[in-house]
Amino acid sequence: SQQGEEDPQALSIQEGENATMNCSYKTSINNLQWYRQNSGRGLVHLILIRSNEREKHSGRLRVTLDTSKKSSSLLITASRAADTASYFCATGNTGTASKLTFGTGTRLQVTL
Amino acid sequence: DAGVTQSPTHLIKTRGQQVTLRCSPKSGHDTVSWYQQALGQGPQFIFQYYEEEERQRGNFPDRFSGHQFPNYSSELNVNALLLGDSALYLCASSLGLEQFFGPGTRLTVL
Repeated sequence: SQQGEEDPQALSIQEGENATMNCSYKTSINNLQWYRQNSGRGLVHLILIRSNEREKHSGRLRVTLDTSKKSSSLLITASRAADTASYFCATGNTGTASKLTFGTGTRLQVTL
Repeated sequence: DAGVTQSPTHLIKTRGQQVTLRCSPKSGHDTVSWYQQALGQGPQFIFQYYEEEERQRGNFPDRFSGHQFPNYSSELNVNALLLGDSALYLCASSLGLEQFFGPGTRLTVL
């Protein structure tokens, strides 16, 4: 079963705009990871945030985590057409390599 | 440094047949996990292998089995295929918390 849901399910923006995706989950977690998937291919790891962290940055990506609300957000700044993909959040519930429980994904379309 | 590789890329089988999918982990990674992704859904965890043993298992029937070899590569076997087994099968390798995925095997069951 899915751990949670991404919101919105689909998002369409123009190049240069910022894109924000939200993820909610149901149970306590050790870490949360964001992935990108292009056209049904493999998932690309974007960023990992641990439960004791509130915010992380990587290039144009900013991730926040609010464990009290069981939610996370992914912000992509200055979006590019190449950012068009599906984005998934995945939660891990232990401090070791464990199963990841994925959300339902957000489909992002960036137009020129 | 090669990433996670999977073979074959695509596979077509008929109901009742058996299939074996293969995965080579990223160099230095000792843990391999398998996921099933149906069209339009997020990946679902099948099982995870570490030190050649199944360490965790998701909610999948016994028709799904696996193996990990001493070089950390892994196989996923599915017996008695059903139409509902049609999906993208993803392998992920890890050394720590981060899991790195291969390109997947697209299985179509007719």
